[in-house]
Amino acid sequence: GAGVSQSPRYKVAKRGQDVALRCDPISGHVSLFWYQQALGQGPEFLTYFQNEAQLDKSGLPSDRFFAERPEGSVSTLKIQRTQQEDSAVYLCASSPYRIPTPGDTQYFGPGTRLTVL
Amino acid sequence: DAKTTQPPSMDCAEGRAANLPCNHSTISGNEYVYWYRQIHSQGPQYIIHGLKNNETNEMASLIITEDRKSSTLILPHATLRDTAVYYCIVRVVRGAAGNKLTFGGGTRVLVKP
Repeated sequence: GAGVSQSPRYKVAKRGQDVALRCDPISGHVSLFWYQQALGQGPEFLTYFQNEAQLDKSGLPSDRFFAERPEGSVSTLKIQRTQQEDSAVYLCASSPYRIPTPGDTQYFGPGTRLTVL
Repeated sequence: DAKTTQPPSMDCAEGRAANLPCNHSTISGNEYVYWYRQIHSQGPQYIIHGLKNNETNEMASLIITEDRKSSTLILPHATLRDTAVYYCIVRVVRGAAGNKLTFGGGTRVLVKP
């Protein structure tokens, strides 16, 4: 079956531009996550949704970062006034579990590589 | 979440078992050990998890020491497609802290022919 898909796969933005990154989770998955992965580092948690509710946004680095999942399926991560330090791979993951649950697993998409010039 | 320590890199021979160590000496009783891997240009992929007993699935085996302060991921017959960064993650599975996976630096595994 189809996995998690993300679009675009690559995005180049000029400093100061706004960007929107899309995530299509696996159909029926309750939980959705966004992570940021800088070059050579492990992914870092940004935010978590359970259906349409954003239950944890503790990892969002600034108020320029905003995520939504209005109908409990597709999610969009928006970054306003992009800065060079925002350059990273943005990963989306989904899970059929209501997090946290012993044994829950997250299924990751391929990521969107954002480069801010 | 407890922190983990992994060697930054290791090589292994194709067809041989690969043993990936992880230290998590500050793990608490309600924290699970999870392993994910990330192949180049892909998102992380779940491998296995455990609490205190050894676990095995179609991908790997997980051996957790009796004191739970360390664990070893075993890939029984490494193939070239197992070349990836392997992350050992310790995670409490309750409350807000359980919402996330906390990745460290991982071990970069290169399987050689």
